[in-house]
Amino acid sequence: GENVEQHPSTLSVQEGDSAVIKCTYSDSASNYFPWYKQELGKRPQLIIDIRSNVGEKKDQRIAVTLNKTAKHFSLHITETQPEDSAVYFCAAGGYNNNDMRFGAGTRLTVKP
Amino acid sequence: NAGVMQNPRHLVRRRGQEARLRCSPMKGHSHVYWYRQLPEEGLKFMVYLQKENIIDESGMPKERFSAEFPKEGPSILRIQQVVRGDSAAYFCASSPPRGTNEKLFFGSGTQLSVL
Repeated sequence: GENVEQHPSTLSVQEGDSAVIKCTYSDSASNYFPWYKQELGKRPQLIIDIRSNVGEKKDQRIAVTLNKTAKHFSLHITETQPEDSAVYFCAAGGYNNNDMRFGAGTRLTVKP
Repeated sequence: NAGVMQNPRHLVRRRGQEARLRCSPMKGHSHVYWYRQLPEEGLKFMVYLQKENIIDESGMPKERFSAEFPKEGPSILRIQQVVRGDSAAYFCASSPPRGTNEKLFFGSGTQLSVL
């Protein structure tokens, strides 16, 4: 089955700086890569996702890149703001949602 | 659209008791997934259900845990004879009928504490 590794486990940046979170996956059949943001005590919320037929996707300050050959994908947040502080989870999945597996999460802290 | 609804938000049980966690998917969604989250860890897949069918329970412990999604009413995750190690946040997610690579929408979770 799929195995997802996520780094770093914690990340602290100054407001306005960029933050990068990286994930690797093991199953070459995986073709869907979502990212979730979870604020303390709240539900995970989808912030961006990418499918294997594209290498990059951007939505305002958030971008995701995918390297299928190397089996890794990354989340980039530019111009970080204190409200970006949360735990971010990557995930990788195949044809079925029940095949999707999550990384262990990255706790991002944006210092004002 | 109220989103995925889970209740209760917090559940306290003593060792040996039963815990019943409920999940109502988003309107129009017929696929339900249960995940367990331990502190400082990711979401671990437990079980995937469609109406009246368990499709994949490969992530659910064989003993004490069961899940159902009846024709009418919410999906239920049931944990019998709870132990301290069952303490965790349990999240439910739902997706539209197609079920393949469709976006997952999560509920707010149930925090289970076993005393």
